[in-house]
Amino acid sequence: KAGVTQTPRYLIKTRGQQVTLSCSPISGHRSVSWYQQTPGQGLQFLFEYFSETQRNKGNFPGRFSGRQFSNSRSEMNVSTLELGDSALYLCASSLPGGDEQYFGPGTRLTVT
Amino acid sequence: GDSVTQMEGPVTLSEEAFLTINCTYTATGYPSLFWYVQYPGEGLQLLLKATKADDKGSNKGFEATYRKETTSFHLEKGSVQVSDSAVYFCALWAGNDMRFGAGTRLTVKP
Repeated sequence: KAGVTQTPRYLIKTRGQQVTLSCSPISGHRSVSWYQQTPGQGLQFLFEYFSETQRNKGNFPGRFSGRQFSNSRSEMNVSTLELGDSALYLCASSLPGGDEQYFGPGTRLTVT
Repeated sequence: GDSVTQMEGPVTLSEEAFLTINCTYTATGYPSLFWYVQYPGEGLQLLLKATKADDKGSNKGFEATYRKETTSFHLEKGSVQVSDSAVYFCALWAGNDMRFGAGTRLTVKP
């Protein structure tokens, strides 16, 4: 069974731009969560989607948003990029009601 | 809120040494507990989990026991290998999201 895939793997953007990251979950997994990983803050929860609905949201500004499609694929968008948004963005999928999360390789975003 | 605290790194060991990485948790209930491992340039891989008190999770020679009385979930391995060099994260499932510790970088030298 294919794992969680994320595209692109690397991105370089300029401050003020916006970016969209994509995540395809493991087949059969309908819950998708997003995390931001930085050296200073560690792993922080962004949001979780299930059946195209955002079920839970972490403590991030409104510039961070996401959505989920009917095939469970998810995208997250960051608008008006700031230097501090440079991070590894990880997507994780899980079965409905499950507590085991399976992570993708991440998208490394660099904001210059 | 629910959280985990794990020992600061980095940890450097010689091959075949015994490994312990400490993890303690704070939670209102009895959450599932996890250890994840992250190899350079990769995402997180689930290493093991335990869902209730006294459960022992194990995988690839790593073990951790869910201790309710000490609110701990320490990771152990009897004999580490160079290939175990990675960052290890303790985590708990808070119902809607995973809460992670800061991570402990392990380097194993030949």
